[in-house]
Amino acid sequence: KNEVEQSPQNLTAQEGEFITINCSYSVGISALHWLQQHPGGGIVSLFMLSSGKKKHGRLIATINIQEKHSSLHITASHPRDSAVYICAGDNTDKLIFGTGTRLQVFP
Amino acid sequence: DTEVTQTPKHLVMGMTNKKSLKCEQHMGHRAMYWYKQKAKKPPELMFVYSYEKLSINESVPSRFSPECPNSSLLNLHLHALQPEDSALYLCASSHIERAGELFFGEGSRLTVL
Repeated sequence: KNEVEQSPQNLTAQEGEFITINCSYSVGISALHWLQQHPGGGIVSLFMLSSGKKKHGRLIATINIQEKHSSLHITASHPRDSAVYICAGDNTDKLIFGTGTRLQVFP
Repeated sequence: DTEVTQTPKHLVMGMTNKKSLKCEQHMGHRAMYWYKQKAKKPPELMFVYSYEKLSINESVPSRFSPECPNSSLLNLHLHALQPEDSALYLCASSHIERAGELFFGEGSRLTVL
């Protein structure tokens, strides 16, 4: 059983829509990373969270420690946001990756 | 400079070849990582170097041999690979091991014939 669960696996949206990707994790995860991977392969770190909320441009990440749940929101989505979004939990031993959410934003 | 640079971007090799993947960062990070990623799967940790010493080896076959010549460089030496080793190999770094943001390279896409 994976200690980090993501949903949905696939997501399609029209340009401009508000998008939410969810991540649930198990006990022992001390911090949560949100990563973005484009088809070319490179991974970009979007956020690292251990509490509260972070915002960068149109991206917002929240984490609820009590519920062991994190969300990544994209406001005013754009076709260039199309990518795989991965949450990864840091369990002090190594990163545990979720299976990723494949997002496609259509114009 | 917030880049992790990986070379080559693409590599095709036969099962008897010896080749190397290289990774470089100049952010002063003291932890560097090799990950393997198969198509449509999340990355799998292979090795972690912390302060130029091997910290974690995730039971990787010996045909993969990591090397950290200095704090900026990380190599992955490949020998006698199998076709199932074909994958995207990602290098990452962080300020210290298991702490802080991870910076990933663009990856080296390896095909073993």
